[in-house]
Amino acid sequence: SAVISQKPSRDICQRGTSLTIQCQVDSQVTMMFWYRQQPGQSLTLIATANQGSEATYESGFVIDKFPISRPNLTFSTLTVSNMSPEDSSIYLCSVASVSGANVLTFGAGSRLTVL
Amino acid sequence: QKEVEQNSGPLSVPEGAIASLNCTYSDRGSQSFFWYRQYSGKSPELIMFIYSNGDKEDGRFTAQLNKASQYVSLLIRDSQPSDSATYLCAVRPYDKVIFGPGTSLSVIP
Repeated sequence: SAVISQKPSRDICQRGTSLTIQCQVDSQVTMMFWYRQQPGQSLTLIATANQGSEATYESGFVIDKFPISRPNLTFSTLTVSNMSPEDSSIYLCSVASVSGANVLTFGAGSRLTVL
Repeated sequence: QKEVEQNSGPLSVPEGAIASLNCTYSDRGSQSFFWYRQYSGKSPELIMFIYSNGDKEDGRFTAQLNKASQYVSLLIRDSQPSDSATYLCAVRPYDKVIFGPGTSLSVIP
């Protein structure tokens, strides 16, 4: 399965600032996703990062708050904009296997704390 | 109605017992079904997936799928303390994967 490098692994941010999370995959993948895991909660899909086109956002998530880039088949970024304490979460990059089952592999996650 | 629901935990079983984890989903168009395990502070890791009705076995783990009832389960035989984790049921409708809230399992030595 693909190996995913995600950075930063953790950060402490000030309210009102923005932070960009990077996700690098060791092989070309078609499907790449960004999830959020709030403290004590399960994973919530933020968006599907599409190569060469705008990301597809889930209900409750908007591009202005979570802009995503996907310049090629091995790299994506997620920016958390104008952060508030409610954005304190773990953000996870994941990629789907090439098989039809869409088995997901996850990066180690980026733990953001907003003060 | 939430898209994916799981039996609320925490679930505690003695070592060597069978742990039974249940999951229901709302989208009848869902095509693949997954069980992930997540240890505290770690990312989820796949245990197994299933896409056909019936049972699928992999070592001590058995996944069961009933599409008519929109129900997926995971049985863990001979539970070990190392199985203590949160188990996430996930469902694939179309080209995305949706996760349930998770069930915390504790295996008591």
